[in-house]
Amino acid sequence: GQNIDQPTEMTATEGAIVQINCTYQTSGFNGLFWYQQHAGEAPTFLSYNVLDGLEEKGRFSSFLSRSKGYSYLLLKELQMKDSASYLCAVVEGNYQLIWGAGTKLIIKP
Amino acid sequence: IAGITQAPTSQILAAGRRMTLRCTQDMRHNAMYWYRQDLGLGLRLIHYSNTAGTTGKGEVPDGYSVSRANTDDFPLTLASAVPSQTSVYFCASKQLAGDTDTQYFGPGTRLTVL
Repeated sequence: GQNIDQPTEMTATEGAIVQINCTYQTSGFNGLFWYQQHAGEAPTFLSYNVLDGLEEKGRFSSFLSRSKGYSYLLLKELQMKDSASYLCAVVEGNYQLIWGAGTKLIIKP
Repeated sequence: IAGITQAPTSQILAAGRRMTLRCTQDMRHNAMYWYRQDLGLGLRLIHYSNTAGTTGKGEVPDGYSVSRANTDDFPLTLASAVPSQTSVYFCASKQLAGDTDTQYFGPGTRLTVL
């Protein structure tokens, strides 16, 4: 069956680095998204991986290993505004998007 | 350019009442989606439309209906609301066969059914 797992909550310190993991089991694979969602707001696009490896975009990087069914989002030089939920979503073989429950990231000064 | 707008922002509704949530996009995207988001659960797809004039059922379609008369509008109707439909509803759109299947979301409607 379909399954996407992410930690429910993580805490990190301002200025530090945090890695948010996502593992998935889906019917086919056509890419993986990371979205950021601040409390009370809509999800916004962060990254998309379809090939194995690391995609870097400023302070945020996303990694994918298709053989392991695994991705992570790496956030560097954490800022208070990074406090948000981070959603992992997989594009299945039929091109439908399956969403994880999200990881709530709490940044402490 | 507004992107995607949703109305109302929030609503409290008595059980059994009919309610239509509105969604409008100005990006000329061909695909549109309705999700609900509940605490502890991922976004769940209710209905979708790949192009004007066509609609399809998602993961949790029961109790909801949609229509897609034109490219820009994709209203979601609850024919007879029940308390389990209390949720935050997000509308999204994307350009099929466009850039990386990225979906863009509206600001959401917070619905409470009593």
